Amino acid sequence: KNQVEQSPQSLIILEGKNCTLQCNYTVSPFSNLRWYKQDTGRGPVSLTIMTFSENTKSNGRYTATLDADTKQSSLHITASQLSDSASYICVVSAQVDYKLSFGAGTTVTVRA
Amino acid sequence: DGGITQSPKYLFRKEGQNVTLSCEQNLNHDAMYWYRQDPGQGLRLIYYSQIVNDFQKGDIAEGYSVSREKKESFPLTVTSAQKNPTAFYLCASSRPSSGEGEQFFGPGTRLTVL
Repeated sequence: KNQVEQSPQSLIILEGKNCTLQCNYTVSPFSNLRWYKQDTGRGPVSLTIMTFSENTKSNGRYTATLDADTKQSSLHITASQLSDSASYICVVSAQVDYKLSFGAGTTVTVRA
Repeated sequence: DGGITQSPKYLFRKEGQNVTLSCEQNLNHDAMYWYRQDPGQGLRLIYYSQIVNDFQKGDIAEGYSVSREKKESFPLTVTSAQKNPTAFYLCASSRPSSGEGEQFFGPGTRLTVL
């Protein structure tokens, strides 16, 4: 069973609207959590990284939250743009061996 | 894509052929990784290398081989023993070999078996 589960699998939103992506994980002991953006046919690019002590971090219109107690994270996209159309991947690192566990991603499509 | 290059972007392989995917980085990173990405699944680790002339198997190493003769280069060979090689292959690198550092990804190679 994958240790990182993302939801929804995909979503479609209108340009200018907000959306929130969810990530639940079971990786333990936890080291850090990253959100990556992957454009179609390209490699993932890091958006944010959070450690245990951080519960929110922003990168422009992207805001990530982390609840280490419930092992949940979210990525909020504000005022979406067409360029936000991509797959968003949640990646969790374990403290013991720093092995990365990848979620399957949420595909976001922004329509004009 | 940072300072990581992968080639070719698209690769076609016939049954029974070995093919080699190139990965080069100019970030002076110690650690390099190969992942496989399939639709609806998270990235899966094939091989990783923390230092020159040393590498370890990841979760799905069967049917693949690698070498790390130079710090900048980490080529992946997909052998005929890999029964389902059609996938998107991503190379990554990071500075700390412990894995805490952010991994920077290349643009990927899409391999298709004809």
